[in-house]
Amino acid sequence: KAGVTQTPRYLIKTRGQQVTLSCSPISGHRSVSWYQQTPGQGLQFLFEYFSETQRNKGNFPGRFSGRQFSNSRSEMNVSTLELGDSALYLCASSLVQGNDGYTFGSGTRLTVV
Amino acid sequence: DAKTTQPTSMDCAEGRAANLPCNHSTISGNEYVYWYRQIHSQGPQYIIHGLKNNETNEMASLIITEDRKSSTLILPHATLRDTAVYYCIVRVFDSSGTYKYIFGTGTRLKVLA
Repeated sequence: KAGVTQTPRYLIKTRGQQVTLSCSPISGHRSVSWYQQTPGQGLQFLFEYFSETQRNKGNFPGRFSGRQFSNSRSEMNVSTLELGDSALYLCASSLVQGNDGYTFGSGTRLTVV
Repeated sequence: DAKTTQPTSMDCAEGRAANLPCNHSTISGNEYVYWYRQIHSQGPQYIIHGLKNNETNEMASLIITEDRKSSTLILPHATLRDTAVYYCIVRVFDSSGTYKYIFGTGTRLKVLA
């Protein structure tokens, strides 16, 4: 079966712009989590959605937001981009929240210039 | 939140067992230990998880000490394809009734031919 699909794979944006990243979970998976990975901070939890509701949120500013649709697909949005937002953004899905193991996508590499 | 401590890097000869240690001395009684690995430019891949008992699957074994303050991931016969960064993670259950992963900095395992 198809894995977790993230689009686009690469993105270059300018400071001050906004960006929307997309994640399609494995078919049947209802929980979607987002992580930010940078060389300095490692992997950091952004938020988790389950049944279209945000169930948990990490310590990121309000510029970072997300949503989940009825088909479990999820988007995250970053507004007013800063240079420090350059990172690999990873999406992970699981069948139910807190289930055994998440399946990660390959990520979207965002570069802010 | 519980934190994990891992060695920064390790080498292992091909065909030998790779033993990757992790310290999680502040773990709470209901918090699981998960292991993932990340091969360059890919998303993390689930390996194994456990709570109290030792666990084994087709990829690896997980040994958790009786006091649960540390664990060891064992790759029984390491191959060159096992070269990756290995993350020991505590899955935290917080007061909102949801889960999130707290990633450590990981161990960079290099399998040598």
